[in-house]
Amino acid sequence: DAGVIQSPRHEVTEMGQEVTLRCKPISGHNSLFWYRQTMMRGLELLIYFNNNVPIDDSGMPEDRFSAKMPNASFSTLKIQPSEPRDSAVYFCASSPSRSETEAFFGQGTRLTVV
Amino acid sequence: GENVEQHPSTLSVQEGDSAVIKCTYSDSASNYFPWYKQELGKGPQLIIDIRSNVGEKKDQRIAVTLNKTAKHFSLHITETQPEDSAVYFCAASGNDKIIFGKGTRLHILP
Repeated sequence: DAGVIQSPRHEVTEMGQEVTLRCKPISGHNSLFWYRQTMMRGLELLIYFNNNVPIDDSGMPEDRFSAKMPNASFSTLKIQPSEPRDSAVYFCASSPSRSETEAFFGQGTRLTVV
Repeated sequence: GENVEQHPSTLSVQEGDSAVIKCTYSDSASNYFPWYKQELGKGPQLIIDIRSNVGEKKDQRIAVTLNKTAKHFSLHITETQPEDSAVYFCAASGNDKIIFGKGTRLHILP
C-alpha cells in the first residue's frame, strides 16, 4: 500500500478563497483523522471519522471548516472562506480501528493564506 | 477531554548520550500511549507504543515507561545518534481520539 495520500502538498491561496484538502486513507482502515499542526499549538485534532461517519468534530475551529467522507477511500477538509490564521500544515491519518492502534499519517498539506 | 503535556519543548544532547522526554495526561480512561517521530517535511511516524497493562517496553535504543497512578509516561533514547534529531510527540488514547503533546525538538550535537 502507498500509505495515506494527501493532496495537494502545498497550497497558497488568497484570503477569502475556498480551499479543499484531500485525503486517501490506507485501504481497509476504518478510522480517519484530520489534524492541524502549527508551532504554537502543535498537533490539534480537528475531526475524526469511523466507518465514514463523523464521530467527533469538536476540534473544528469554526463554521468555516467542514469535512466530509463520502466513501471509505476519500475524505476532504474544506475551508471557506480562508483566512491568514488558517495557515498551517494539515495532516490526514488513518487507523485500522477506533482506538489503541497506530495512526498512519500522510505527508501533509502546507497551506498558506495570504 | 484528554490533555497531554510534554516536556521539554527543546532538548539538545551530545551524540552518544541519553535523551529523556516526559509526558503527563489527564484522562484516567486513556490506555494507549504511542510515541511518534517527525522528520522535516514529513508526517509523524510511530516509533514505539505502550499499553496500560504494561509498565515498560524496550525496542533497541528506545524505551518507554508508564506510571498509570501518576499519569506519567516517558521516552528514553540511549546512545543517541545524528539520525535521532527530529521532533518527538507523545500521545494518549482511550476513547477513539488520539491526543498529542506539543512535541519536543531533539538536537543531537556532534
